[in-house]
Amino acid sequence: SQQGEEDPQALSIQEGENATMNCSYKTSINNLQWYRQNSGRGLVHLILIRSNEREKHSGRLRVTLDTSKKSSSLLITASRAADTASYFCATDDTGGFKTIFGAGTRLFVKA
Amino acid sequence: NAGVTQTPKFRVLKTGQSMTLLCAQDMNHEYMYWYRQDPGMGLRLIHYSVGEGTTAKGEVPDGYNVSRLKKQNFLLGLESAAPSQTSVYFCASSYRPTGELFFGEGSRLTVL
Repeated sequence: SQQGEEDPQALSIQEGENATMNCSYKTSINNLQWYRQNSGRGLVHLILIRSNEREKHSGRLRVTLDTSKKSSSLLITASRAADTASYFCATDDTGGFKTIFGAGTRLFVKA
Repeated sequence: NAGVTQTPKFRVLKTGQSMTLLCAQDMNHEYMYWYRQDPGMGLRLIHYSVGEGTTAKGEVPDGYNVSRLKKQNFLLGLESAAPSQTSVYFCASSYRPTGELFFGEGSRLTVL
């Protein structure tokens, strides 16, 4: 079963707007990661946030983590057409060796 | 640095045929993973390895076998392909468990 579930499944915005994607998970984690996948390509790591962190920034990306609610959000500010991609959250399993992915959010940024 | 390389990139099989997907990484990573990606399902873990000579089952291991004879290579085998195994397969590696994953570009497999 999948650990993380993203919301919304799909998101369409105008260039320059902010995009927010949410991820909920079921069990305790050590860390949570976000990945990006362009159509037909492999996944690329964006950011990792540890369970003892609440917020992390990387360029136009801001990730928050609320372990009490078992949820995370990814904010992309000032979106560009090139941000069009699928975004996945991923969490570690309780055994600590596996990374489990959600179904992803498809983001479409209109120029 | 090539990173993670998967071969072949595309393959069409008939039901019952066998094949092997090869994953090679040049980053000296201990941990390697095989995922499959189906529409609307995200990525599901098939098998993984925590080091040379080790393998372990993931979420959906049935119908697949793996081997890690060399640290840099992780092979995924289908002994008797079924249409349900039509998917895009991704290999990934990492330098520590549940750390940043480095992905290959994927292998698209169609089983007729």
